[in-house]
Amino acid sequence: DGGITQSPKYLFRKEGQNVTLSCEQNLNHDAMYWYRQDPGQGLRLIYYSQIVNDFQKGDIAEGYSVSREKKESFPLTVTSAQKNPTAFYLCASSNSGRGYNEQFFGPGTRLTVL
Amino acid sequence: SQQGEEDPQALSIQEGENATMNCSYKTSINNLQWYRQNSGRGLVHLILIRSNEREKHSGRLRVTLDTSKKSSSLLITASRAADTASYFCATVSGGSYIPTFGRGTSLIVHP
Repeated sequence: DGGITQSPKYLFRKEGQNVTLSCEQNLNHDAMYWYRQDPGQGLRLIYYSQIVNDFQKGDIAEGYSVSREKKESFPLTVTSAQKNPTAFYLCASSNSGRGYNEQFFGPGTRLTVL
Repeated sequence: SQQGEEDPQALSIQEGENATMNCSYKTSINNLQWYRQNSGRGLVHLILIRSNEREKHSGRLRVTLDTSKKSSSLLITASRAADTASYFCATVSGGSYIPTFGRGTSLIVHP
């Protein structure tokens, strides 16, 4: 089946720890994105990547880092510098960098800081 | 920054009724998209409408776009309990290709 997967579904982190969220797609999409969703605030863009080995900061990149070493993979690291990391994280991909194409979303990872 | 704002924030209806959600935005757009999100899940794309289009249909979904009023509406006809979800509009503007999402409308359809 073609699609986009995220793991783990639930993640618990102690304060001061870095954690990495996985995002993989087999849709052969060029562009990938990371969003953060908090209750009542919709989706906010963290990072995005149009091609391999290239990525740009979104609206709320502070405290996060990404890599894009393979077309299929776009992992997100939540660092200890992120002051309020508890949230629902969504990864998405699209066919190209053009906004006429819809975004395909993964099932999400819920991160909780203990 | 959030471009589209959905209204109402929450909507509760009975099965079989129609549900209408609205989205207003502030700047000119290239296109506007509607997504659905079931609780605790990822978003699913429903419809994309371009700035030069006024209406699109997909099954029980009807989307309209009024660029003069900078607004769009999503109509779900003959709603079902399975339509219970949050619905988001997302706008693509200017030179950006990345959709900007609103806060969503939470729809509950009672069986």
